Amino acid sequence: EVPLVESGGGLVKPGGSLRLSCAASGFTFSRAWMSWVRQAPGKGLEWVGRVKSKTDGGTTDYAAPVKGRFTISRDDSRNTLYLQMNSLQPEDTAVYYCTTPGGNPPYWGQGTLVTVSS
Amino acid sequence: DIVMTQTPLSSLVTLGQPASISCRSSQSLVRSDGNTYLNWLQQRPGQPPRVLIYKISNRFSGVPDRFSGSGAGTDFTLKISRVEAEDVGVYYCMQSAQFPYSFGQGTNLEIK
Repeated sequence: EVPLVESGGGLVKPGGSLRLSCAASGFTFSRAWMSWVRQAPGKGLEWVGRVKSKTDGGTTDYAAPVKGRFTISRDDSRNTLYLQMNSLQPEDTAVYYCTTPGGNPPYWGQGTLVTVSS
Repeated sequence: DIVMTQTPLSSLVTLGQPASISCRSSQSLVRSDGNTYLNWLQQRPGQPPRVLIYKISNRFSGVPDRFSGSGAGTDFTLKISRVEAEDVGVYYCMQSAQFPYSFGQGTNLEIK
């Protein structure tokens, strides 16, 4: 069983929107602080943002390049994490991973590719 | 923001020989709960990142014991006791002690 499975990636035009999902299993999702990380082609890893557990406030934080354009949310009843991406630009082209970085242990998904191109 | 600095950025190692990667953070990675949120990831060519070590020295399930992590505060090390062919890839340290979380630049491990 794979703990984190991302979906929703694809090709989108500049200025467009996309919503990614991350289905979690095998751990107590509702207690986990969840994050999105991305990796542009041939580049290193870049943090996108995180959402805390609801018991810890459920607040979100975002990296500067995506703040105001991306929104992270969670549905604990469905064990699912979301990333709503608006006003997409070519520089947002990347594989997007969901992860539980501070988990005990931490988990990483397999990623979903988002390509922003006209 | 916490800056993570890895050295070396590239490492050429003979099969069966040890390898070591250093990671230094610009601030302490100890959180208020007393834990140090420093993980090591391995990314093989064409693969997603995989957790090797978490919270400095805990090996993820299934990770061979030739991998070990050590360190404290701001200085951390990943060691491979005897490099095998399957260890080729890029290794990243990452901190989740303080947002924005951050990664080292990555160390490219190749076999000589």
